Amino acid sequence: AQKVTQAQTEISVVEKEDVTLDCVYETRDTTYYLFWYKQPPSGELVFLIRRNSFDEQNEISGRYSWNFQKSTSSFNFTITASQVVDSAVYFCALSSNTDKLIFGTGTRLQVFP
Amino acid sequence: NAGVTQTPKFQVLKTGQSMTLQCAQDMNHEYMSWYRQDPGMGLRLIHYSVGAGITDQGEVPNGYNVSRSTTEDFPLRLLSAAPSQTSVYFCASSYSRWGETQYFGPGTRLLVL
Repeated sequence: AQKVTQAQTEISVVEKEDVTLDCVYETRDTTYYLFWYKQPPSGELVFLIRRNSFDEQNEISGRYSWNFQKSTSSFNFTITASQVVDSAVYFCALSSNTDKLIFGTGTRLQVFP
Repeated sequence: NAGVTQTPKFQVLKTGQSMTLQCAQDMNHEYMSWYRQDPGMGLRLIHYSVGAGITDQGEVPNGYNVSRSTTEDFPLRLLSAAPSQTSVYFCASSYSRWGETQYFGPGTRLLVL
């Protein structure tokens, strides 16, 4: 069975600090996809990134970067120079061609001014 | 495009009442799904549909019914509401079930007294 673990329940940082959100996954499939979603205080779920299992290249989008390491089954998310607007719950999710999309339990990030 | 829309935004029910949560998408997505979000548990799949006329159960289907008569609409029915169904419900859609990015509606907050 597939599983996504986000061990950090809550993280608090001060603005401009860098912060990394951890995501560890389990799957027996060789083809799978990993996702990150953001849920701001307003409640909607915002898609951030999708990565397939054959692409281990790290990705950077502005202040956001993602580190995918198959060797450790991790897909970590780093926010550089955090801002108050980054305060949200962040979900990591996993989907494969033999199982449904499943979510981790989320990490609540609070960025204080 | 409106994307994925859900109504109502908020609903209060008494135990035993029934209701339908509406979900619609205008992206011509084949795959639609319903999740519930509870504190500390991430999002859990209730039911999903891979196309008009085809539905299947997810992780937590008990107490819920779905149907898919059109590509656009995927309503979720609570047959006899229970306090355990107090939750936030999200509808999502994507081009297909496997590996595609799912886009979420704004959510329906349901309180069962």
